[in-house]
Amino acid sequence: DIQMTQSPSSVSASVGDRVTITCRASQGINRWLAWYQQKPGKAPNLLIYDVSSLQSGVPSRFSGSGSGTSFTLTISSLQPEDFATYYCQQANSFPLTFGGGTKVEIK
Amino acid sequence: QITLKESGPTLVKPTQTLTLTCTFSGFSLSTSGVAVDWIRQPPGKALEWLALIYWDDDKRYNPSLKSRLTITKDTSKNQVVLTMTNMDPVDTATYYCAHVFCSGGRCYFDYWGQGTLVTVSS
Repeated sequence: DIQMTQSPSSVSASVGDRVTITCRASQGINRWLAWYQQKPGKAPNLLIYDVSSLQSGVPSRFSGSGSGTSFTLTISSLQPEDFATYYCQQANSFPLTFGGGTKVEIK
Repeated sequence: QITLKESGPTLVKPTQTLTLTCTFSGFSLSTSGVAVDWIRQPPGKALEWLALIYWDDDKRYNPSLKSRLTITKDTSKNQVVLTMTNMDPVDTATYYCAHVFCSGGRCYFDYWGQGTLVTVSS
């Protein structure tokens, strides 16, 4: 199985801050990586797929980059509605696996 | 508009078999390229992918649970069913079904059900 490791596990930030979350794969996954946002009590929401493709309806302040084994999700200017937990997911091979999550909290 | 909704018991006893149904609308599981999967999330923990079924009845399972899982589809009813045998308290989780979106043959989850919390306890 491909292990996905996210860092940090939590981050405190203020509205307007730039936030970067990292996801590392235990082996190369090319560009087959997605990011999801999950708010408490809700299902995850797909933000980005194929490393950097923005899902329809997702604000442009979200962006993704990386390749191989190291990837990042960047929120360019944090908004109140962005406080949530973020997960990465590899789609390179089965079993599909998720990272442990990064909680973005209000500072 | 794609929607999915999970249904099934909220409480099961250890060793029992769990049967969950995902009822969906807005797409057909008989259309080439379409798939539906199941994912779970224990309280306060991360997401875990369980199983996936394609339009052509091809199936994929998480190897760590494969011996306990069965995924099937009923195209006429727009339903996907997941059964998990020999339930244990560690299987307590919110179970989600999701529509699978494939890009270049790689698959992501673009529409999710609301999830259903299943508690395993005697």
